[in-house]
Amino acid sequence: GAVVSQHPSRVICKSGTSVKIECRSLDFQATTMFWYRQFPKQSLMLMATSNEGSKATYEQGVEKDKFLINHASLTLSTLTVTSAHPEDSSFYICSARVTGDGELFFGEGSRLTVL
Amino acid sequence: GESVGLHLPTLSVQEGDNSIINCAYSNSASDYFIWYKQESGKGPQFIIDIRSNMDKRQGQRVTVLLNKTVKHLSLQIAATQPGDSAVYFCAELYPPGGGNKLTFGTGTQLKVEL
Repeated sequence: GAVVSQHPSRVICKSGTSVKIECRSLDFQATTMFWYRQFPKQSLMLMATSNEGSKATYEQGVEKDKFLINHASLTLSTLTVTSAHPEDSSFYICSARVTGDGELFFGEGSRLTVL
Repeated sequence: GESVGLHLPTLSVQEGDNSIINCAYSNSASDYFIWYKQESGKGPQFIIDIRSNMDKRQGQRVTVLLNKTVKHLSLQIAATQPGDSAVYFCAELYPPGGGNKLTFGTGTQLKVEL
């Protein structure tokens, strides 16, 4: 199957700093990418839908100014957690899809720890 | 539906036994469902999917059953192996025909005992 790569896989940062997480589709072009957040022992919660070349669509309750999403190319979407706080510590997972009904491919996740 | 629980329900089975993991989904209009396996510290891994025009689909050692009347999905794993130990999530594609966002269920921790 297709490969979606996330980087970094683990990141530790100080409170108040910003962190960028990259999501790349390695062998296909993804018109749509999704960002999920997962707290320990809980399910994946959709944060936003990112379409190449347009603004991301955020789910209710997700602060768009705090979680900046950029999908500048068909193979790369980035999630920037701005002014991170300890409560932002979580597992962030991206997924990518070629077309509207195409199969979703998930990345391996990025674990963010904010001290 | 959204997950609000603070812990995952756990299913413990003996190696070699069959496992049945259940899931209740939220939206009667959803027309596509997927089961994912997630190992600790990793992203979800596709297992099997089913469309709403079917009530059963079989894969290798896995079977998914769909009961639209009661909005219920189940994943059956035959001859469960230690490598099957993971968290299993059902997901529904909603709204159908547009948006195509996956909503994940609460998840079930499967533990395979030797």
